[in-house]
Amino acid sequence: GAGVSQTPSNKVTEKGKYVELRCDPISGHTALYWYRQSLGQGPEFLIYFQGTGAADDSGLPNDRFFAVRPEGSVSTLKIQRTERGDSAVYLCASNLMENTGELFFGEGSRLTVL
Amino acid sequence: SQKIEQNSEALNIQEGKTATLTCNYTNYSPAYLQWYRQDPGRGPVFLLLIRENEKEKRKERLKVTFDTTLKQSLFHITASQPADSATYLCAYMNTGFQKLVFGTGTRLLVSP
Repeated sequence: GAGVSQTPSNKVTEKGKYVELRCDPISGHTALYWYRQSLGQGPEFLIYFQGTGAADDSGLPNDRFFAVRPEGSVSTLKIQRTERGDSAVYLCASNLMENTGELFFGEGSRLTVL
Repeated sequence: SQKIEQNSEALNIQEGKTATLTCNYTNYSPAYLQWYRQDPGRGPVFLLLIRENEKEKRKERLKVTFDTTLKQSLFHITASQPADSATYLCAYMNTGFQKLVFGTGTRLLVSP
């Protein structure tokens, strides 16, 4: 596709459940980012991939959060034992590292933990 | 640590006026600053980038300035239109060029 695609667009789950959020970046973009955005706040950095490896995962809040990008394209953000505080919009972005860092964002996955 | 601050209060202006949004940073000057627009329920969309050694950058009705003395970037929309109503986010790339750090954003409302 032409842009960054994220699925699902909405996910409602119960506390304690496991959730996977998927991101399909723009074709050819080597860098992929996950951000989390709460209401009234700016996007908060979670993790950055360069190719298949996580170059910076310093934003992951705890070990319940994990992300993979096994083939250097699609990425999955995994959240174990979800808590109500995990409710937010999870944004994915990609870019070409040759440029100055302009990020192309998807529309986000809205996660609600009941 | 570096912090980036935007006015959390919404800015209300009348159509046709110039909107000016402020982004302040606390410590070192970032290599460059970026501005994004975000509409409700949508992902941010890149608008403009300005480098540390650039004073001003323009794109159509948009203008961004970068004042390293004041540690501030200003974002201007001239001849504002109701369609400009959105949240505008300021962001800087950290020194390792590995992550973009965002401010909280400022909501702009342009009334007809």
